[in-house]
Amino acid sequence: DGGITQSPKYLFRKEGQNVTLSCEQNLNHDAMYWYRQDPGQGLRLIYYSQIVNDFQKGDIAEGYSVSREKKESFPLTVTSAQKNPTAFYLCASSIGPPVSGRYNEQFFGPGTRLTVL
Amino acid sequence: AQSVSQHNHHVILSEAASLELGCNYSYGGTVNLFWYVQYPGQHLQLLLKYFSGDPLVKGIKGFEAEFIKSKFSFNLRKPSVQWSDTAEYFCAAKRNAGNMLTFGGGTRLMVKP
Repeated sequence: DGGITQSPKYLFRKEGQNVTLSCEQNLNHDAMYWYRQDPGQGLRLIYYSQIVNDFQKGDIAEGYSVSREKKESFPLTVTSAQKNPTAFYLCASSIGPPVSGRYNEQFFGPGTRLTVL
Repeated sequence: AQSVSQHNHHVILSEAASLELGCNYSYGGTVNLFWYVQYPGQHLQLLLKYFSGDPLVKGIKGFEAEFIKSKFSFNLRKPSVQWSDTAEYFCAAKRNAGNMLTFGGGTRLMVKP
């Protein structure tokens, strides 16, 4: 069964603790993305990775970190430096790095809802 | 900076009513536009997309969108909504470089049976 999995679905953490959100895909996609979804603000790009061992900051990378050691995995760490971490986090992947003038459709996971108490 | 705006945050309709959700973008250059839908408890999925050619784009489940370049708009339409269309809808634009998307704030649609 191909797709993108994110775990856990719901996550609770105390303020000041780092937390890592998992994202795995078995679609053999090269590119992976992390978005944060807040009511009324849509999805905002946190980090993206076009290929293994490479990743780039998105629009709201402060307080977050990622790694891309394996093609199928792109974990996101929400650090204590993130001022407002409570949100819905979405992971996505696409078949490959962007080609000029062409869009590779992004496929989304089910999301993780993080609540910091 | 690129931005995408959706005019309505919440829309409530009765079944069989017509739907139009507004979307405006603000940047120049080549435009690639998308509508995504997020049904309750389901993954975000692509509804339709515009790259070039016919400005009237047809998507899944009877949805369509019209690209009007002079108005910088890409409004989503459906002639007759169903209860199963209850979802959150996001307009998005592809950035000039790369595969990254800029999303609008989303519109929550509730269809009353």
